[in-house]
Amino acid sequence: QTVVTQEPSFSVSPGGTVTLTCGLRSGSISTDYHPTWYHQTPGQAPRTLLYSTSTRSSGVPDRFSGSILGNKAALTITGAQADDESDYYCGLHLGSGISVFGGGTRLTVL
Amino acid sequence: EVQLVQSGAEVKKPGESLKISCKGSGYFFANYWIGWVRQMPGKGLEWMGIIYPGDSDTTYSPSFQGQVTISADKSISTAYLQWSSLKASDTAMYYCARRVGGYNFDSWGQGTLVTVSS
Repeated sequence: QTVVTQEPSFSVSPGGTVTLTCGLRSGSISTDYHPTWYHQTPGQAPRTLLYSTSTRSSGVPDRFSGSILGNKAALTITGAQADDESDYYCGLHLGSGISVFGGGTRLTVL
Repeated sequence: EVQLVQSGAEVKKPGESLKISCKGSGYFFANYWIGWVRQMPGKGLEWMGIIYPGDSDTTYSPSFQGQVTISADKSISTAYLQWSSLKASDTAMYYCARRVGGYNFDSWGQGTLVTVSS
């Protein structure tokens, strides 16, 4: 079973920069996994932020960026704002049509 | 505008059956995979499976294979998620989402809350 790891929680100061990561318990993430980042605020449906590692969804500001850092996928938020406070999930494509989500990171802006 | 509208909240007893729906609009429904995602109370997202409405080709996560059935009716642009015998552990919010590019979801339904309790 593929286990996708994310930091359970993270905090950032307003205006600061934070990098959230998405890894595999066994193995390295590459662009072949087509990492996707989603965010979800309490009581709301998830929304797609970035796909195919670094492509922003429509309407997503450019202070959100994606990359591969070492053996992990990464989501970097620059100039953090209060309404960036959210749960962030990564999704990975495993092949054969199957994908998997990471456990999510709760980001606090304070 | 792409929209996915899910059926309303359900309260069921253990052992009962259930089928929830997800209706797409604003795009050619048959040509895009629809996925289902579970979110148990206070927990993260879980990828359950996907269906291609054009030919009903379906893929399940190993964790959900045999536990649920995903189907679709392209004539009415609707995908379904069903259970034959619910358990209390099926209590969760269920989301449908459209998959694009073969890899990621781009549009999401509003979610259907399923509560299973005796």
